[in-house]
Amino acid sequence: DGGITQSPKYLFRKEGQNVTLSCEQNLNHDAMYWYRQDPGQGLRLIYYSQIVNDFQKGDIAEGYSVSREKKESFPLTVTSAQKNPTAFYLCASTKTGTGVPHEQYFGPGTRLTVT
Amino acid sequence: AQKVTQAQTEISVVEKEDVTLDCVYETRDTTYYLFWYKQPPSGELVFLIRRNSFDEQNEISGRYSWNFQKSTSSFNFTITASQVVDSAVYFCALSEAFGTASKLTFGTGTRLQVTL
Repeated sequence: DGGITQSPKYLFRKEGQNVTLSCEQNLNHDAMYWYRQDPGQGLRLIYYSQIVNDFQKGDIAEGYSVSREKKESFPLTVTSAQKNPTAFYLCASTKTGTGVPHEQYFGPGTRLTVT
Repeated sequence: AQKVTQAQTEISVVEKEDVTLDCVYETRDTTYYLFWYKQPPSGELVFLIRRNSFDEQNEISGRYSWNFQKSTSSFNFTITASQVVDSAVYFCALSEAFGTASKLTFGTGTRLQVTL
């Protein structure tokens, strides 16, 4: 079955450490996204990528970095520069190219706790 | 700038009641798309509907219906005869089409609790 995989589901880190969250999709989608969700808030866009080897900052990119070396993969690194990294992180992907925004498909999320 | 407002933070209903979730949006674009997503306790967002700004017809899908009113910038979602399985957080989102992909602005969500 096609879908988006995020691993691990729960992640614990000590303050000051970088951590990388995995996101893999087998939907053959060109565009991929990373969102952050905090309690009582909507999803906020961190980074997005429309095509391999290209990505753009979203609304809250500070303290995060990404890479897009393969179409299927869009890992997110939460660096020590991110002041409040504890959150629920969601990866999404979507089809592109028709001029009409398609629905985004979401992974199950990774809950990151930094202490 | 685009903005989506879901003023209802949390709604509690008893099973079989009808419930309406409100969504109000702001945009300067003449062409835009609106979405509703459901986030069950598992965390993964599930797509429910997409509506473009030129199509103001209401839509019904089973127990779900959507009312799009451009004049009031609203895209409300009604669940008829609610069930316990409808308990989730529901997000309304607005699409800014950029390049060849979509960029979504989400509301803060409405948590729906359906009890027996």
